Parts: sequence; structure tokens; C-alpha cells
Amino acid sequence: DAGVTQSPTHLIKTRGQQVTLRCSPKSGHDTVSWYQQALGQGPQFIFQYYEEEERQRGNFPDRFSGHQFPNYSSELNVNALLLGDSALYLCASSLDRAGEQYFGPGTRLTVT
Amino acid sequence: KQEVTQIPAALSVPEGENLVLNCSFTDSAIYNLQWFRQDPGKGLTSLLLIQSSQREQTSGRLNASLDKSSGRSTLYIAASQPGDSATYLCAVSPSPSGYNQGGKLIFGQGTELSVKP
Repeated sequence: DAGVTQSPTHLIKTRGQQVTLRCSPKSGHDTVSWYQQALGQGPQFIFQYYEEEERQRGNFPDRFSGHQFPNYSSELNVNALLLGDSALYLCASSLDRAGEQYFGPGTRLTVT
Repeated sequence: KQEVTQIPAALSVPEGENLVLNCSFTDSAIYNLQWFRQDPGKGLTSLLLIQSSQREQTSGRLNASLDKSSGRSTLYIAASQPGDSATYLCAVSPSPSGYNQGGKLIFGQGTELSVKP
């Protein structure tokens, strides 16, 4: 049983560009959450998707958007990249909206 | 606003020692609390989850306790090993209400543990 998978593993982008990160949840899970983790910090909640809709959102600007597909996989899009967007982006899935969360290996985004 | 604090930020111990990591949170209205392990540059591995109605959970050499009324949790690691070296993160999930129907985790900044052979 595959756990949570994320792609790509690493990504380097230039300031002002746009990026799309992808996540496949653990088998049987229907809820996906995204987190941003800056170096030396704990992860910060970006948003949660359930039934293909954004259900909760953290304190992130509209440049951060997402999508959930009918197979429960999800994308995180970030527009107009800033240097401060450089971080490890983590995806987590759960059996339901309040269930135990299982994390993927993350995507390391570097903005130059 | 819920805030999670972990003390100490870093800890170095000799192999074989028993140790305690601390986590405190400001709002007792939580649904559950999870402890995670993170190796450098990697994702998070769930160690233990404690529901708000529970007092403790155990897995192997790990024991986590929860005192919701005082806003505290501890992670006890028995007979530490060099392989336990990692960053340990505590996270709380606020109780579902209104717009918040659960699942948002609020993390502490972690405790970086080093176990010396």
C-alpha cells in the first residue's frame, strides 16, 4: 500500500514564475492538506481539500491556490513566486477531515 | 489563537539515556494531538496520536501523555539510541466548530534531538 506521494522532489524557479506541485493521497484517503515548512520552522497550514473543494485555509495570500481531482489527488499552485516562498512543501492525507494525518516526503522549492 | 511551543529547541544526550520532550499549547479546545519525527530534509513520520479524551499513548520505547486542562503534552523516549536523532514535532488539531471542520494541524517549532554513541 503506497503512502502519500509527492512530485517533484526538488524544484528551482525564478522570482515571478509560477509553480505546480502534485500530491497523491494514501489509498482510501479522501482529504488532502498542504503545509509550508521554512528552514528551522514547524510546518504552516496552507489549505485543506475535501470533495474537490477548499474547506479550510490558513494565513496565505491568494497567490497560493489548489485543486483536488475526482481521484482525490491534489495540486498546489503558487503564482508570482517570491524569494520567501522557498521552503519544503508538505502534503498530508487523512481518512476524513478530522482524522490522523499522514505526510508525504515533501517537495523542496527554491526560488532564486 | 492557538499557539504551540516546544521546549527545549535542541537536546543532546548520550546513548541509553531516558529523555522527555515537552509541548505546550494555549487553547485546550483540541480534537487531538500528534507527535511526529522529521529527519533532515525529509517528510514527517507520525509517531503517536492522542485523542482529546485520552491521557496517554504508547508505542514501543515511546510514550506520549496529554494534559488538556493544563495545555501540556510530553513525549518520553526510553533507552535512547543514535537512530533516534531527528527533529520531533508536536501538533494540535483544534476542535471542529463552524467553518473549521477539523484537520488543520498547528505545529510547534520542534525539538532537535541528538543521541551520541
